Amino acid sequence: GAVVSQHPSWVICKSGTSVKIECRSLDFQATTMFWYRQFPKQSLMLMATSNEGSKATYEQGVEKDKFLINHASLTLSTLTVTSAHPEDSSFYICSAQEQGYLNTEAFFGQGTRLTVV
Amino acid sequence: AQSVAQPEDQVNVAEGNPLTVKCTYSVSGNPYLFWYVQYPNRGLQFLLKYITGDNLVKGSYGFEAEFNKSQTSFHLKKPSALVSDSALYFCAVREGSSASKIIFGSGTRLSIRP
Repeated sequence: GAVVSQHPSWVICKSGTSVKIECRSLDFQATTMFWYRQFPKQSLMLMATSNEGSKATYEQGVEKDKFLINHASLTLSTLTVTSAHPEDSSFYICSAQEQGYLNTEAFFGQGTRLTVV
Repeated sequence: AQSVAQPEDQVNVAEGNPLTVKCTYSVSGNPYLFWYVQYPNRGLQFLLKYITGDNLVKGSYGFEAEFNKSQTSFHLKKPSALVSDSALYFCAVREGSSASKIIFGSGTRLSIRP
């Protein structure tokens, strides 16, 4: 099946620094990628939809200047958490939709555990 | 706007017994429905989907789900539970056939006791 690789799987950073998370589709081309945030024992909250070659669409309440999303190619999207604060600590998960196969499920990365100290 | 409801936070079942994890949805167009499973500190694994066709969908690890349009439900089932099925299960919906966003339910923690 299709594989989505997310890197890093965990990261610890200091307050005020920026952290970049990568999401790669390894064996397919992804026109659209999604970024989710998950708090402990809670569901996935969609943060933004990332489309290759265009600006991301952010969900209401998500700060676009804080969570920078870039989808420069059909196999890579990145999420950069800028000026991170402890409240940004969370589990971030990306998913990818295969180009041209709109009836398929989305495939998920393994997630990134971000801890801001 | 589309939405998904999983009314049970936790479901407890004895090993070998059948299990059901409930899901209801709300969309204005045709629903595309999915079930995913999540193990601790991991991403989501796809179990099964309903796009069109037979209302009973069979998926991975012996799971199946029944699409009921009149009740707007898509309950996940398995005839005989295994301890290894213990995990967090998410129902999800996408509206229509476009590559639009997928919305997840709140999740149900399934606990299978030996």
